[in-house]
Order: sequence, then C-alpha cells, then structure tokens
Amino acid sequence: GENVEQHPSTLSVQEGDSAVIKCTYSDSASNYFPWYKQELGKGPQLIIDIRSNVGEKKDQRIAVTLNKTAKHFSLHITETQPEDSAVYFCAASEYHDMRFGAGTRLTVKP
Amino acid sequence: EPEVTQTPSHQVTQMGQEVILRCVPISNHLYFYWYRQILGQKVEFLVSFYNNEISEKSEIFDDQFSVERPDGSNFTLKIRSTKLEDSAMYFCASKRTTNTGELFFGEGSRLTVL
Repeated sequence: GENVEQHPSTLSVQEGDSAVIKCTYSDSASNYFPWYKQELGKGPQLIIDIRSNVGEKKDQRIAVTLNKTAKHFSLHITETQPEDSAVYFCAASEYHDMRFGAGTRLTVKP
Repeated sequence: EPEVTQTPSHQVTQMGQEVILRCVPISNHLYFYWYRQILGQKVEFLVSFYNNEISEKSEIFDDQFSVERPDGSNFTLKIRSTKLEDSAMYFCASKRTTNTGELFFGEGSRLTVL
C-alpha cells in the first residue's frame, strides 16, 4: 500500500516568512495529492490539492508543487500569519483510500 | 454549507465494552470513510465503504471493528470489545465521487478507553 513520509515534524517561522513542508510517497499509481490543515480539536480541512497531471498549483499565499518522477510534493506558504499556525498533513491517493503523512506542526510567531 | 456530523463528540468507556460511533455524511456523497488519530500522531486510514459494502480496509481494521450504513443517512463504526489502545480520535469522512478526490471530515469523536 501507499506510504507517505512528511518533513519536518515541527516548523517555526516568523510572521511574514515563508514555510515549506515536503512529502514523499511510494505508490506511483497515486494521482491525487491534497494538503489538509488541522486546528486544535477539529477535523482536517482541505486547503489545496493537486493532481498528477499538474506540476504546480497556487491559491493566494499557498502553493503546491509535484514531482511525479521523484515522487515528492511540497506545500509552500508565503507571508505567513499567526492564524496559519496549525498541523498540516499531506496525503496521497489513487481511488478509495487516502494515506496521510505524519503531520507538520507549524508555529508562526508574531 | 453541508458538513459531516459525528456523535458523540467524546465517549468514555471501560475496556471490553462495545462502542458505536455515529456519523451523518454529506447527503449526496457516495463514499464513506473512517480514520483514526491517536493523540499527537498521524491520521490513519481504517476503512472505506461504498455501495453498502467495504471497499478497502487497513490492517488496523481487524475483527473487532465493523461498519454499517443502517439507513439512508447514518454511517456507524462499531468496536466490539474495546482495548486501551483503541483510545483515539475517530474521524468520519465522505466524498461525492472517486474522481473529485476531496474528502470532507467531521469534527471527530474522541474515544477514551479506561
């Protein structure tokens, strides 16, 4: 089955700086790569996703890049704000199930 | 905005007891899932359910677990004889079709086994 590795486990940045979180996956059949944000006591919420036919996608301050050959994808958050502080999970799937990375706790210091 | 709802939000039970966690997926969704998150750890896939049957399950989903869609709206996860290590947050999720990909998660049910 799919195995997703995520780094770093914790990340602390100053407000206004950029944050980058990286993930690798093992199953070359995976074709859908979402990123979820989880705030304390809540369920994960989708913030951006990318499909295997696209190399990069951007939505305001958030961007995701995908390298299918190397089987890795990354989340980039620019101009970070304190409300970006949360746990971020990457995931990979082909059809039914979705496998998550271990999560990155991002702290944005004001 | 439609959402996945889960009950109870927190359940405390004694080891060996049966527990049923309930979920109401988004109404036009066809695929249903249970995930588990032990405190501070990753979200782990348990089971997927489509067309009234399990489509895939993980190694965590052993004989102590079962899922059911007893009517047109509820989707339940039953743990027959709880163990201490079943203590976790259990998330229900649903999606409309396979192709859309996006999973919508509920707020979770925290299970504490004493």
